[in-house]
Amino acid sequence: EVQLVESGGGLVQPGGSLRLSCAASGFTVSSNSMSWVRQAPGKGLEWVSIIYSGGSTYYADSVKDRFSLSRDNSKNTLYLQMNSLRAEDTAVYYCARDRSTVTGFWYSDYWGQGTLVTVSS
Amino acid sequence: DIQMTQSPSSLSASVGDRVTITCRASQSIGRYLNWYQHKPGKAPMLLIYAVSTFLSGVPTRFSGSGAGADFTLTISSLQPEDSATYYCQQSYSTPRTFGQGTKVEIK
Repeated sequence: EVQLVESGGGLVQPGGSLRLSCAASGFTVSSNSMSWVRQAPGKGLEWVSIIYSGGSTYYADSVKDRFSLSRDNSKNTLYLQMNSLRAEDTAVYYCARDRSTVTGFWYSDYWGQGTLVTVSS
Repeated sequence: DIQMTQSPSSLSASVGDRVTITCRASQSIGRYLNWYQHKPGKAPMLLIYAVSTFLSGVPTRFSGSGAGADFTLTISSLQPEDSATYYCQQSYSTPRTFGQGTKVEIK
């Protein structure tokens, strides 16, 4: 059974750092593409970043140069390193597995329950 | 970046009603359009990808249509468990932007 479990959220001061983890089971993280999506309080879903199975990464402009993705193959875990955090980064962060059809249609088929990040002094 | 606009932002309908949600992209995205259902405190769930394709387990009362820049999600007979917020997402290019969401409530 495919499962994704996020952790690492919490309260952090503006300008601080936090590392979110997404532990996967039922599939191999390094063989799949993985995304992060966030939802600020009272707002909709916002796409944050993706790491493709080959290792290429892409980020939303709002987090570029502040957030970075990495994988630990031995732990089958995806990480989101978040630096220079701002109040507007306050959100529930979800990780998701991304899949692609042979014709190139991408979608996120499994999601975690999310972890809350609060940036406040 | 491609902007996705959904309408309406919210709706209230009765059990058994036919419900339609529209999603418009700021440029043509072909058939690179996904729909997700999100309930409070839960993980988002994929309903439809590539405009109209389901994964197993999604109720057949959900359907999608459209191409280019205009898309529709239809719930043929609304059920109490369909109370949620629905999001479209384009997968044509990164960033893979979402619509702002449509909150569906049961009367």
